Amino acid sequence: EDKVVQSPLSLVVHEGDTVTLNCSYEVTNFRSLLWYKQEKKAPTFLFMLTSSGIEKKSGRLSSILDKKELSSILNITATQTGDSAIYLCAVALFQGAQKLVFGQGTRLTINP
Amino acid sequence: GAVVSQHPSWVICKSGTSVKIECRSLDFQATTMFWYRQFPKQSLMLMATSNEGSKATYEQGVEKDKFLINHASLTLSTLTVTSAHPEDSSFYICSATPRWGSGSTDTQYFGPGTRLTVL
Repeated sequence: EDKVVQSPLSLVVHEGDTVTLNCSYEVTNFRSLLWYKQEKKAPTFLFMLTSSGIEKKSGRLSSILDKKELSSILNITATQTGDSAIYLCAVALFQGAQKLVFGQGTRLTINP
Repeated sequence: GAVVSQHPSWVICKSGTSVKIECRSLDFQATTMFWYRQFPKQSLMLMATSNEGSKATYEQGVEKDKFLINHASLTLSTLTVTSAHPEDSSFYICSATPRWGSGSTDTQYFGPGTRLTVL
């Protein structure tokens, strides 16, 4: 069974801290890994990673994929209260349709 | 770009009635649309994959006769919850993958979700 596991499930830090969120996967036919941010409603796309070792960066957020370790990390530096959200990791599989398998999510809370 | 809308954003209905939820890709054509269900404090669970002009593919454990999916065009998919019961109360989210451009086809763009409450 295809599985995506995120850790930690919950994280509370102070504004200004740096956080690292983890995602590991055990799937057949890996195609790519995606990170999403979910606030009150639907997830918004952050990154898509297909190649190992290449960091993707957007402002204070960055992410990298390690295909050997079957994992990815999402880093957020100089956190702000607006970063509080659930961060979802999903893996896209090589199937007829681009099916995503989601992890449980990491609930990140940034305290002022 | 890559905006997906859902309607309604919330709905309350009586047990035994049917509810239809619409999902539209506003500025792109969607090769495929997906329907997810999310319970409180849980992740997204894929219910079915919908391709324009063909029958939806349902995930194991999802009743196709209860959750009817129609993908009539490249910009519209509908989910009808038939004979709804309180246990069907949940947050339903659709997503769509672009047909061309706007990033890789692996990237799903999500609608804002529909909160269904069945009394």
